[in-house]
This record gives sequence, structure tokens and C-alpha cells, in this order.
Amino acid sequence: ETAVFQTPNYHVTQVGNEVSFNCKQTLGHDTMYWYKQDSKKLLKIMFSYNNKQLIVNETVPRRFSPQSSDKAHLNLRIKSVEPEDSAVYLCASRSLGSYEQYFGPGTRLTVL
Amino acid sequence: SQLAEENPWALSVHEGESVTVNCSYKTSITALQWYRQKSGEGPAQLILIRSNEREKRNGRLRATLDTSSQSSSLSITATRCEDTAVYFCATDRSSGSWQLIFGSGTQLTVMP
Repeated sequence: ETAVFQTPNYHVTQVGNEVSFNCKQTLGHDTMYWYKQDSKKLLKIMFSYNNKQLIVNETVPRRFSPQSSDKAHLNLRIKSVEPEDSAVYLCASRSLGSYEQYFGPGTRLTVL
Repeated sequence: SQLAEENPWALSVHEGESVTVNCSYKTSITALQWYRQKSGEGPAQLILIRSNEREKRNGRLRATLDTSSQSSSLSITATRCEDTAVYFCATDRSSGSWQLIFGSGTQLTVMP
């Protein structure tokens, strides 16, 4: 099956903990993204990454960092979570030359 | 303020009725995309309309684009319960950019 896969589906943690979310795409795409979706469904891009360049949205706090082992994987680490990090984190990928982005199902993070 | 914005914020219709969601944007674009996000899933592209196109159809879906007023619409005819979702328009961050700017979405509920 070709798609964008994310794990875990849900994660509940406490303030100050470190969390890591995984994303894998089997579509053969060149570029991957992480988005944050808040409770009002607003989607904000956090990172875009291909094998040459990482682009970081300037509003993303430094406790967030992407981690990539190859062009099919882009994980997200949050060093010390805060309550405002509660959201759905969506991973997406895109093929070079195409506008369409393919999204995973998301990871819902709840910070207590 | 948002660089892309859908209206209305929410819509409710009965099955079989037609519905239109509108989008206004503030950047120069090369293309505008409409995405749909069902509960528990990531967004999925419905239609892409390029800046030199005025209308695009995909089955029951019809998108229009007016670059002079920086607006777009998505119409769905003969709605079904499974059309219940959040509908987003998405534009490039700037002309030729590969980063998408999403609006906050329109929640469409289709009732039996």
C-alpha cells in the first residue's frame, strides 16, 4: 500500500516530557512536511524537508526539531512539551513538480 | 490575518442539496487547491485549479477561480452524508513556492 503513515495515533504526556512522532511515506516522494492543526482546525506548516534543504517556519519554537534518516522518513521530536503543544500533528509528502500534498492521518498530542 | 480564508465557517444541508464554499486569498498564486478532511483523517486533495483557469470539474465537484478578486469557490452537487467534512482551500505562500497556506476551513455537515 502506498501512502503516508504516522505513529502513534494518540499520545498523552505531561508538561516537560520529550515526545517523538514518526512519519513514513511509501509514495516515493521527494519532499515531506510537518503541520500543526489546532482545535479550530487551522493548519500551520512547521517544517518542509527534502534531501537537500530543511525549511523551518520562523514561528516554530526551538523545542521542536525534525529528524530524517532518508527521504521516506521524517520524524518530529518535541524536547520539552508545553500545554500549547496540544494539537494534531500532520505529516505530508509531495512529489517534485507536483502541487498536491498527501497527508497521513495525524498524531493527536495531549499535554496535561 | 489569514492569507487564505474560507466562508462560511460552517454549513448544514440535507442529502441531495447543493452547497458552495467560498475562499478568499491574499497572495499571488500559481494554483489553488481544495482539500477535504474527514474526521480522524488527514486532508485529501479534491481539485487543483491553476491561475490561468477559470473553472475545473471533478465529478460532483466544481471549482472556480477569479484571480482579479482573489477568490475561489467549491460547489458540490447532490450532496451525500459522506461529504460531511472540513473543506479547505490552499494556495502557495507566494507565486511559485511549494509551501501551501491553508485557510481555517469550512465545516460541512450533510444530514440524511
